[in-house]
Amino acid sequence: NAGVTQTPKFQVLKTGQSMTLQCAQDMNHEYMSWYRQDPGMGLRLIHYSVGAGITDQGEVPNGYNVSRSTTEDFPLRLLSAAPSQTSVYFCASSYDRKNIQYFGAGTRLSVL
Amino acid sequence: GQQLNQSPQSMFIQEGEDVSMNCTSSSIFNTWLWYKQDPGEGPVLLIALYKAGELTSNGRLTAQFGITRKDSFLNISASIPSDVGIYFCAGQTRTGNQFYFGTGTSLTVIP
Repeated sequence: NAGVTQTPKFQVLKTGQSMTLQCAQDMNHEYMSWYRQDPGMGLRLIHYSVGAGITDQGEVPNGYNVSRSTTEDFPLRLLSAAPSQTSVYFCASSYDRKNIQYFGAGTRLSVL
Repeated sequence: GQQLNQSPQSMFIQEGEDVSMNCTSSSIFNTWLWYKQDPGEGPVLLIALYKAGELTSNGRLTAQFGITRKDSFLNISASIPSDVGIYFCAGQTRTGNQFYFGTGTSLTVIP
């Protein structure tokens, strides 16, 4: 069972570069979300989606874009990376917004 | 956003000891979740709580949904080395579209 799959696992970027973090789930979950995890700050919600074609902002959306063209995929785009975006990024999915979220293994991003 | 205060921030205990940690919020929550995160991995759900006063166990783990609906507690009995990791609480309000996470409790078990 694949569950929630995130790629890549590690990435190093230079300031100003762009990239897309991929997230896919095979559980037919409607709700998907992106978090960033920084030391001492727990998990903070970046963006979320309650279904294909619907996205909304979380607590820390600035500098990130998302789209949800299919139920399975929820990519996170950094248009112009900044050192403040150095973090560990987690994607999660759940049956709906009220249900338990299942997490991917994370993407560790460093912006130099 | 909602504020979730989780304590203690870290714990160093001897193998076999019991562990207690808690989480408090500034708002009333309808759902409390407890996750564990191993190094280099994503959080994995341990226990879910849906009702004020609810007490739920999962092996050596027991969690409670506080009666005020603004707090939750996690206890681990007879700790073992594989309990090492970071434990997170998460909560959601009745009308909310997201879960809010605590800052985590880092647990170290000394053999």
